[in-house]
Amino acid sequence: KQEVTQIPAALSVPEGENLVLNCSFTDSAIYNLQWFRQDPGKGLTSLLLIQSSQREQTSGRLNASLDKSSGRSTLYIAASQPGDSATYLCAVRESGSRLTFGEGTQLTVNP
Amino acid sequence: GAGVSQSPSNKVTEKGKDVELRCDPISGHTALYWYRQSLGQGLEFLIYFQGNSAPDKSGLPSDRFSAERTGGSVSTLTIQRTQQEDSAVYLCASSPMGGKADTQYFGPGTRLTVL
Repeated sequence: KQEVTQIPAALSVPEGENLVLNCSFTDSAIYNLQWFRQDPGKGLTSLLLIQSSQREQTSGRLNASLDKSSGRSTLYIAASQPGDSATYLCAVRESGSRLTFGEGTQLTVNP
Repeated sequence: GAGVSQSPSNKVTEKGKDVELRCDPISGHTALYWYRQSLGQGLEFLIYFQGNSAPDKSGLPSDRFSAERTGGSVSTLTIQRTQQEDSAVYLCASSPMGGKADTQYFGPGTRLTVL
């Protein structure tokens, strides 16, 4: 059974810092990995989707990498801003239809 | 265009009552998913609909849970004889084709509280 782990569970940084969120998964037979953002009381917003054949994806200040063989992904946020404060979730998609999620990293960026 | 919508946004019910949660996917999306997010736990997959195919119900936690998708669009998740452990945020998502490369677009969720 696939298990997804995110470290750290919570992170607090001052504005302007670069930071890295980590995601690991136990079964490397995945089709893709997706990073989401969840704001309090709201649904999930997709940030980046990396196909299994890709190594990384970039969108603005966000960069996600995927090392499928080692079962790891990182989400790099450059020049963090208070508006980046949210819970960040990673999820992997396997052969079926479902996404398997980690428990998330709660990020706080302090002004 | 409009995103995924869910109603109600909040639902408080008494133990033993039945509840219905509604999801309106993005127009034209053929795939629809239900997930549950419980306090202290991650998001759990519940059920998946793809076009006219039989749904993947493998994530439903008990036979008190069921879901329908009428006309390939709106979906209703029904929980019968609710229990306190059913309290959670229920999230619906849709995707264009349900393919493995598809991004899933999530609604805002329904927060269910069972007293």
